[in-house]
Amino acid sequence: GENVEQHPSTLSVQEGDSAVIKCTYSDSASNYFPWYKQELGKGPQLIIDIRSNVGEKKDQRIAVTLNKTAKHFSLHITETQPEDSAVYFCAAYLPRGSNSGYALNFGKGTSLLVTP
Amino acid sequence: ETGVTQTPRHLVMGMTNKKSLKCEQHLGHNAMYWYKQSAKKPLELMFVYNFKEQTENNSVPSRFSPECPNSSHLFLHLHTLQPEDSALYLCASSPRTGDNSPLHFGNGTRLTVT
Repeated sequence: GENVEQHPSTLSVQEGDSAVIKCTYSDSASNYFPWYKQELGKGPQLIIDIRSNVGEKKDQRIAVTLNKTAKHFSLHITETQPEDSAVYFCAAYLPRGSNSGYALNFGKGTSLLVTP
Repeated sequence: ETGVTQTPRHLVMGMTNKKSLKCEQHLGHNAMYWYKQSAKKPLELMFVYNFKEQTENNSVPSRFSPECPNSSHLFLHLHTLQPEDSALYLCASSPRTGDNSPLHFGNGTRLTVT
């Protein structure tokens, strides 16, 4: 299976509603989980991240929660606006194999559409 | 401005051409990465450089050849590509590899192989 699974692949919400994107990861040793937003014609940009020593982090309208026991983490966007429309990627540092250290593994992305 | 600049933004090349992609970062980072982004697939890690030394080649075909002359610059040399190589190629940097710090991405080069 995939190292980082992300759901849903597409999400459509009305402006003002909340949006939630969920990810699961495979290795319990992972301890860093960033979220990226990719707008059309641009590269992924970091929007928020969380480390395993906390369960939740919030930055204005976006928040991330982490459940280490269940190995899943989620992105929450409240009061969505049309400019939130983009592709969102979760990621987790996972081991690359013996003596290869850790590397950032990405989910497949969620295409979020916020309609006025 | 992301701090990571990629040129060109768009590139169309034939299967027999040779071209190069360029990446420059102004963040003082020591690790640089090439990723391939295709539709409906996760970002695929291609190469990793840490302090100018290649630390990872993720089973990438030899028609892709990276070069890292210093910690601020990264190139991807392309030759005899296939149509399935058409994708967005993203460069990223971080302070160093494997230290649980975020990657900073450029805006990518959209490559079309005809």
